Amino acid sequence: QKEVEQNSGPLSVPEGAIASLNCTYSDRVSQSFFWYRQYSGKSPELIMSIYSNGDKEDGRFTAQLNKASQYVSLLIRDSQPSDSATYLCALTQPDFGNEKLTFGTGTRLTIIP
Amino acid sequence: DADVTQTPRNRITKTGKRIMLECSQTKGHDRMYWYRQDPGLGLRLIYYSFDVKDINKGEISDGYSVSRQAQAKFSLSLESAIPNQTALYFCAARATNTGELFFGEGSRLTVL
Repeated sequence: QKEVEQNSGPLSVPEGAIASLNCTYSDRVSQSFFWYRQYSGKSPELIMSIYSNGDKEDGRFTAQLNKASQYVSLLIRDSQPSDSATYLCALTQPDFGNEKLTFGTGTRLTIIP
Repeated sequence: DADVTQTPRNRITKTGKRIMLECSQTKGHDRMYWYRQDPGLGLRLIYYSFDVKDINKGEISDGYSVSRQAQAKFSLSLESAIPNQTALYFCAARATNTGELFFGEGSRLTVL
């Protein structure tokens, strides 16, 4: 089982609708969770981080974390064409006294005007 | 100015050649990382460093080496490049307080 799993997509959502992106992980001791957005040919950029169970909202973005079920999700409200990108889920895990940061393979999101 | 700068941005080389990708950051972050990105495989960690003289292997370190010459500089070397090392390489620096990764713009390497 992969440490971090995402549906590769593509996920197509009409403009103005809610886009829902999901990520599951295998290691129960994972500590911190991040969502990065990557436009084609560009570097990833952080859009949300979440550390405790529940919801965290930032503008049109909401991150949801459920450690018992080992998933983290990202909701994008009022989707815009500029939201079309690949979304990468990442998490940290303890690693022999250090901390390992692992990425999922990403979900490609397309917003349809 | 970008927080993390990578050079070169694009490089085409031949099998067997030695290649160095350089990375520098201006934010004073202790932790630095090298990733490669391939279609369908996401970002895979090659090496990471938590401080000068601290080097740790990632999941795909074979065929690569790194050097952390100073807090601000972290270079990646391919001693003898092979075609399956053709990829997009990203350097990143990580903020200790927030955990956020700041990525460079990427170095696209093609090995013929």
